[in-house]
Amino acid sequence: DQQVKQNSPSLSVQEGRISILNCDYTNSMFDYFLWYKKYPAEGPTFLISISSIKDKNEDGRFTVFLNKSAKHLSLHIVPSQPGDSAVYFCAASARRSARQLTFGSGTQLTVLP
Amino acid sequence: GAGVSQSPSNKVTEKGKDVELRCDPISGHTALYWYRQSLGQGLEFLIYFQGNSAPDKSGLPSDRFSAERTGGSVSTLTIQRTQQEDSAVYLCASSSNRGQETQYFGPGTRLLVL
Repeated sequence: DQQVKQNSPSLSVQEGRISILNCDYTNSMFDYFLWYKKYPAEGPTFLISISSIKDKNEDGRFTVFLNKSAKHLSLHIVPSQPGDSAVYFCAASARRSARQLTFGSGTQLTVLP
Repeated sequence: GAGVSQSPSNKVTEKGKDVELRCDPISGHTALYWYRQSLGQGLEFLIYFQGNSAPDKSGLPSDRFSAERTGGSVSTLTIQRTQQEDSAVYLCASSSNRGQETQYFGPGTRLLVL
């Protein structure tokens, strides 16, 4: 039973345009959400996070939106750059679960020059 | 400062052998996590250490898997009698756990069981 789902295994976007990566979750106990970026042969790198008390968090070109009623979050990258090409993982945690992260299966983003 | 380090970076072993994977967390981080990523899958939680508390072993897939954290710092994940399905990337992460939830990951150990 996948509690965190990333339904798009891949996404291609033109350089300079917006990239939108989506994530859905089923566990209503999740109260903290994170996005990680992963390059081949490297560990995941933290990108941005959001607490369930917020619906938006912005950091430079990256913005995460949280819709609690729909149990949906998204990551927007504007403008997209070729260096953003990587696998993006959505992750969630619940206070009662010692903050272990539950990950989605990832979305491979390719930004075309 | 130094990030999370893991060794070895790659490990090839024969089915039935035991392996040990090492993780050095970020200095001062009290929380340490092990995850694994099988081919084409997301990351799967294995075990969590927080300070001197008993570890949360709820993610360990079988009793062939065990982990220790000595002195509240370095951790070793041991897989006994390895099986081919144990082949994966094993990732370690640490966090300060002082209200900051972000986990910082090491580069991982790629384990291949032949």
